[in-house]
Amino acid sequence: ETGVTQTPRHLVMGMTNKKSLKCEQHLGHNAMYWYKQSAKKPLELMFVYSLEERVENNSVPSRFSPECPNSSHLFLHLHTLQPEDSALYLCASSQGVGLAGSETQYFGPGTRLLVL
Amino acid sequence: SQQGEEDPQALSIQEGENATMNCSYKTSINNLQWYRQNSGRGLVHLILIRSNEREKHSGRLRVTLDTSKKSSSLLITASRAADTASYFCATDEGSNYKLTFGKGTLLTVNP
Repeated sequence: ETGVTQTPRHLVMGMTNKKSLKCEQHLGHNAMYWYKQSAKKPLELMFVYSLEERVENNSVPSRFSPECPNSSHLFLHLHTLQPEDSALYLCASSQGVGLAGSETQYFGPGTRLLVL
Repeated sequence: SQQGEEDPQALSIQEGENATMNCSYKTSINNLQWYRQNSGRGLVHLILIRSNEREKHSGRLRVTLDTSKKSSSLLITASRAADTASYFCATDEGSNYKLTFGKGTLLTVNP
């Protein structure tokens, strides 16, 4: 247990569906991250939030919409996805951004997403 | 090649043997981290080494960093079947929050 939980663990959706991924961290951290992990590709950073403000949007298509209502929760809203969006979506948190000693990231177990 | 690229891509050894994985990167870093991922699960942080450090130990793990060669190695001694996982290095590229991961080394430890 890393202190970061993600729901659902598995999700199958059609291209016209709207769904949301949820991440919650119980570590008192101030920074949260969304990553995409596809087969045979490096982890891709999607979004970074620090103190509920987005500090990074790594050229992610608008069909992915993040939301960070507070420092413990992070959502990824999905709509009109494509089959190539099928991947493992990982959430992570860290103590903060730009703080010495805060570089380590703690990952959730991921949501395995399949877009049909 | 990718920033933080691991070598080899896959490694298969017998229980009790040592496993060595290498990572190369391209730009200046403040620190380099190693993470482990069991199949289909999240990543777990193993160890962090700062740019002014050359070697670090944690239990059965030994990490080295050579900033002149822009490379790092992770040694797992006396491996166990439970060490079977993918291992990733991650570099900060001088960023204060962004980590760049390689594609990983898949380690299989046979009982």
